[in-house]
Amino acid sequence: DVKVTQSSRYLVKRTGEKVFLECVQDMDHENMFWYRQDPGLGLRLIYFSYDVKMKEKGDIPEGYSVSREKKERFSLILESASTNQTSMYLCASSFLSGNTIYFGEGSWLTVV
Amino acid sequence: DAKTTQPPSMDCAEGRAANLPCNHSTISGNEYVYWYRQIHSQGPQYIIHGLKNNETNEMASLIITEDRKSSTLILPHATLRDTAVYYCIVRVAQNSGGSNYKLTFGKGTLLTVNP
Repeated sequence: DVKVTQSSRYLVKRTGEKVFLECVQDMDHENMFWYRQDPGLGLRLIYFSYDVKMKEKGDIPEGYSVSREKKERFSLILESASTNQTSMYLCASSFLSGNTIYFGEGSWLTVV
Repeated sequence: DAKTTQPPSMDCAEGRAANLPCNHSTISGNEYVYWYRQIHSQGPQYIIHGLKNNETNEMASLIITEDRKSSTLILPHATLRDTAVYYCIVRVAQNSGGSNYKLTFGKGTLLTVNP
């Protein structure tokens, strides 16, 4: 079975803090993605990566950065957390030419 | 990606088959039909996908009409744990380079399995 593991399920952070969300996949997938999901807005892509050290902006990259130092690991960084970044964050992965995207369980981030 | 239409909610008795419909009348020839589900507070879970032929795996069956304008996801023996929002998505095959990253989840169908 494909396993996409997100390190934290629930986090509460203060405004201005630097936040790291970690994601690991065990299927040797080339592609990894970070989405956020908000009620009424659906899934929105923040960043994706198709190889180690490669990254591409998604639809809403502002306020976020990412790091992919190893193939299996993709980190999402909130440089200075703000209350409008309170959301559910989803990591996902897929093969480079694969059709199917597999998701982690999600990380609920609350910024106060 | 083509737009899909699903009923907002459905009920099913535990142990019975759940048949979830999806309309995708503007689907293109190179677009696949995908089904995901999302249990409350969890990430979406891949269920099954198909292009033209009917497909079956350990979770479900997918029936695609001959004109490909609609499909039905079948959970043969629904359990309480199958209560979730089910999303039908149509999307093109992913090209090399990882360019097809967009997944558009509509509102889906809330399936409630009752004891």
